[in-house]
Amino acid sequence: DIQMTQSPSSLSASVGDRVTITCRASQGISTWLAWYQLKPQKAPKSLIYDASSLQSGVPSRFSGSGSGTEFTLTISSLQPEDFATYYCQQYDTYPPTFGGGTKVEIK
Amino acid sequence: QVTLKESGPALVKPTQTLTLTCTFSGFSLSTTEMRVGWIRQPPGKALEWLARIDWDDDKFYRTSLRTRLTISKDTSKNQVVLTMTNMDPVDTATYYCARFGSTDYFDYWGQGTLVTVSS
Repeated sequence: DIQMTQSPSSLSASVGDRVTITCRASQGISTWLAWYQLKPQKAPKSLIYDASSLQSGVPSRFSGSGSGTEFTLTISSLQPEDFATYYCQQYDTYPPTFGGGTKVEIK
Repeated sequence: QVTLKESGPALVKPTQTLTLTCTFSGFSLSTTEMRVGWIRQPPGKALEWLARIDWDDDKFYRTSLRTRLTISKDTSKNQVVLTMTNMDPVDTATYYCARFGSTDYFDYWGQGTLVTVSS
């Protein structure tokens, strides 16, 4: 299985900060990468697919980049509703695999 | 509007069989290229893909759990059912169903249902 490694595992940030999360794949996955936002007791939300395509309805402050083995999710100006845990997922090769998550907390 | 919702027991005993139902709306699993999958997340651990069923009834399973999992669909009821046999405490997790998007990512998810395995 392809291993997905996220960093950092957690971070503290303030409203308005620019936040960057990194995801590394154990082998090249082209741009077959998605990002999700998870909050307790809520349905996970798809943010980015195909590494850089914004899911319909997702605010433009979210952006994704990368290809091959290294990817980033950037939140350009953190909003109160963005405090959550973020996961990357590769879908280049079955089984789909997820990163360990990055918890974004209030500073 | 696409929605999915998981239902099933909150508590199962070791060795029992778990049956989870995903009831969805806003799309049909009889539409070409529609697919629904199950994912779980044990407490404090990463998300783990379990199984997938396609519009044409093709089925795919996590290799390590293949002998324990069965996925099926009832198109008339807009439901997907996952059964997992021989439950163990390590199977304690939040179980999610999700629709596959245009490629193999999940564009819509259910809220998840926590299943605890304990005697």
